[in-house]
Amino acid sequence: GQNIDQPTEMTATEGAIVQINCTYQTSGFNGLFWYQQHAGEAPTFLSYNVLDGLEEKGRFSSFLSRSKGYSYLLLKELQMKDSASYLCAVTPRSSGAGSYQLTFGKGTKLSVIP
Amino acid sequence: DTGVSQDPRHKITKRGQNVTFRCDPISEHNRLYWYRQTLGQGPEFLTYFQNEAQLEKSRLLSDRFSAERPKGSFSTLEIQRTEQGDSAMYLCASILGPLSDYGYTFGSGTRLTVV
Repeated sequence: GQNIDQPTEMTATEGAIVQINCTYQTSGFNGLFWYQQHAGEAPTFLSYNVLDGLEEKGRFSSFLSRSKGYSYLLLKELQMKDSASYLCAVTPRSSGAGSYQLTFGKGTKLSVIP
Repeated sequence: DTGVSQDPRHKITKRGQNVTFRCDPISEHNRLYWYRQTLGQGPEFLTYFQNEAQLEKSRLLSDRFSAERPKGSFSTLEIQRTEQGDSAMYLCASILGPLSDYGYTFGSGTRLTVV
């Protein structure tokens, strides 16, 4: 089976840096995604890691350690608009006919305060 | 069309009624997914199409649920004899070919409320 854990809520100050952690246990692994979801809206893609290491995209960075089943999303120079839920998701299978379905964590609700 | 479209955005129905949702994926995307999301939870996989073939269904998809993608373009998700537990956001997503750096493109979802 699959199990994905991430903190339920976090609060951070505008302009600061915040790290959202995600740990996972899956029967197979083909990559880890981070999505941002504002209240009442669809998830939007932030990052994808399949190899160990850090991927940087502007103010957002994502790190993966496959041996530890661990990832984090790093948000720098926080803005009020970054207040949202951040979803960690894993693709547990890889095959030619694989569905590449995503297994999501419950999400971390980030509140950015002035 | 630059995104995944879902219709309707909101649906309120009485328990026991049937409802149908529609998803129009990005035109060149051959893989289409349905997910369900309840409050405070991440989306849960329901079913997956590659072109017109429904290749995988979750155990969450009871006999009351049926999905189609008749011509490999738009898809419909029907729920028969709705129950209050069916109240959720139903999300459609699409992707072209194998897993890519761009992830899945989700639609804005259909929020179902069963009263």
